Amino acid sequence: AQKITQTQPGMFVQEKEAVTLDCTYDTSDQSYGLFWYKQPSSGEMIFLIYQGSYDEQNATEGRYSLNFQKARKSANLVISASQLGDSAMYFCAMRVWSGKLTFGQGTILTVHP
Amino acid sequence: DGGITQSPKYLFRKEGQNVTLSCEQNLNHDAMYWYRQDPGQGLRLIYYSQIVNDFQKGDIAEGYSVSREKKESFPLTVTSAQKNPTAFYLCASNTGTGLNYEQYFGPGTRLTVT
Repeated sequence: AQKITQTQPGMFVQEKEAVTLDCTYDTSDQSYGLFWYKQPSSGEMIFLIYQGSYDEQNATEGRYSLNFQKARKSANLVISASQLGDSAMYFCAMRVWSGKLTFGQGTILTVHP
Repeated sequence: DGGITQSPKYLFRKEGQNVTLSCEQNLNHDAMYWYRQDPGQGLRLIYYSQIVNDFQKGDIAEGYSVSREKKESFPLTVTSAQKNPTAFYLCASNTGTGLNYEQYFGPGTRLTVT
């Protein structure tokens, strides 16, 4: 079975600063994919970034980057230059070959002006 | 525009009544999923379907039922057997079964049962 752990229920960051949201995972599969989604208060789920287990480089998408440390089974999301609109719930998720996504409990990020 | 439609956005029901949540996609995706989200919590998988006329139970299927008669549609019925049905329900879809396929989500339905 797969498990995703997000140990930070809430995080605060000052506007324009960088913030790291933690995610650790557990699986016995060698092939897997890791995702980060953003959920604003409206409830929609917005895909941010993807990292494959065999990808040698850390994924980046604009202000988002994924700090992938395979040996430590961690896939932390780094948001650079935080904006007020980044305030939301953030979920880490993992997929193995069954196709199902397993989600963590989420981290609420609050960006202060 | 392609996407996933869930209706209605808010749904209120009396205890003991079955209720069906709609999910329609025009993305031509094969796989569709239903998740439940409780306040401050992550998403839990209820049911999923990877092809028409076939579906599998997720982690919390008890008290729910689904059908997949058309590729575009994957309705979820919350039955009276579901002990705590009040929650936010999200429908999702993706194409293919590879690891890197992004899962697209609908806007969700907030169900309140009193």
